[in-house]
Amino acid sequence: QKEVEQNSGPLSVPEGAIASLNCTYSDRGSQSFFWYRQYSGKSPELIMFIYSNGDKEDGRFTAQLNKASQYVSLLIRDSQPSDSATYLCAVKGTSGTYKYIFGTGTRLKVLA
Amino acid sequence: DGGITQSPKYLFRKEGQNVTLSCEQNLNHDAMYWYRQDPGQGLRLIYYSQIVNDFQKGDIAEGYSVSREKKESFPLTVTSAQKNPTAFYLCASSRATNTEAFFGQGTRLTVV
Repeated sequence: QKEVEQNSGPLSVPEGAIASLNCTYSDRGSQSFFWYRQYSGKSPELIMFIYSNGDKEDGRFTAQLNKASQYVSLLIRDSQPSDSATYLCAVKGTSGTYKYIFGTGTRLKVLA
Repeated sequence: DGGITQSPKYLFRKEGQNVTLSCEQNLNHDAMYWYRQDPGQGLRLIYYSQIVNDFQKGDIAEGYSVSREKKESFPLTVTSAQKNPTAFYLCASSRATNTEAFFGQGTRLTVV
């Protein structure tokens, strides 16, 4: 089992719809969870981070964390063609570790 | 401007040569990381460093070497022992154990 799993996609949604991206992780001791967006040929840029169970909203983005079920998700409301990118989930493990474990990413296509 | 600078942006290496990729940060971050990304793949950890003069192997350290003589700098050498070095190399840094990592713009290495 991979440490951080994501569906590779592509996930296609129409413009204006909600895009839902999911990520599961295997280390039950994981403390911190991050979503990065990566455009083709570019480096990842941080969108959101979440540390506690529940929802965290920032503009059109909502991160959801459920530690009991070991999943974290990212919702993008009012999706725009400019949101088309690969979204990487990253997990930082047991307290004290500096290692980030990345999933392979989900490719999102927002159709105009 | 604070940030992470990687150089060069593109690098070509002949087989059998060692090459060094530069990574400098002025964010006063303690931890620095090197990741490798292959087409359609996620990020794989090569090496990371939590403090000056200390570093740990990641998941794919064979054929690579690093140094951390200064807090700001974490160069990566791709040695001739790395049999398939063509990839996109990303340097990142972070402040502490539960905070987000920030990435440089990446170096694309091609073996010719």
